[in-house]
Amino acid sequence: TQLLEQSPQFLSIQEGENLTVYCNSSSVFSSLQWYRQEPGEGPVLLVTVVTGGEVKKLKRLTFQFGDARKDSSLHITAAQPGDTGLYLCAGGNMRFGAGTRLTVKP
Amino acid sequence: KAGVTQTPRYLIKTRGQQVTLSCSPISGHRSVSWYQQTPGQGLQFLFEYFSETQRNKGNFPGRFSGRQFSNSRSEMNVSTLELGDSALYLCASSLEPNQNTEAFFGQGTRLTVV
Repeated sequence: TQLLEQSPQFLSIQEGENLTVYCNSSSVFSSLQWYRQEPGEGPVLLVTVVTGGEVKKLKRLTFQFGDARKDSSLHITAAQPGDTGLYLCAGGNMRFGAGTRLTVKP
Repeated sequence: KAGVTQTPRYLIKTRGQQVTLSCSPISGHRSVSWYQQTPGQGLQFLFEYFSETQRNKGNFPGRFSGRQFSNSRSEMNVSTLELGDSALYLCASSLEPNQNTEAFFGQGTRLTVV
């Protein structure tokens, strides 16, 4: 079973701060996906990374896939309250990490 | 194009009862996966169906079962409900069970067992 570990588990920051969350595994993935889930809703796909070393940007969000395709990071610049939510990573087999619960305070 | 539809949204059952949850995937999607989400365990994979066949199954007891119909709609059933089965049950659909295929989630069914 390919396990994904996400860190930190919880993160509470002020509006305008930058943050990075991580998704790590001892296994190699052919692809990795990041989702955001808001209370009462299902997860929504943010990005899929496929190539080792790949960097994708989605407005203030920057996603990186490790060179060895075992880990990934999500960096948010100038966080806003609307970024609040549970950030989940999933391997190509659609198995999820436990997530990072982000709270951005105004 | 309509998204993934899960019914019902909320459900309250008593211990020992059984429950059936429904998932209608996006039109044209033939792969459906089910997940259980609890605060303590996160998103746990239950099973995946493609073309009416179960392709993968997670580590859940036999009380959890599912099926997929010819129109790709899927149902999951939990028998002999336990308090610990209280959770948000999520369904995700994708075109096919390809590792790089984007999956779309429904809003989930919130099951409370009392």
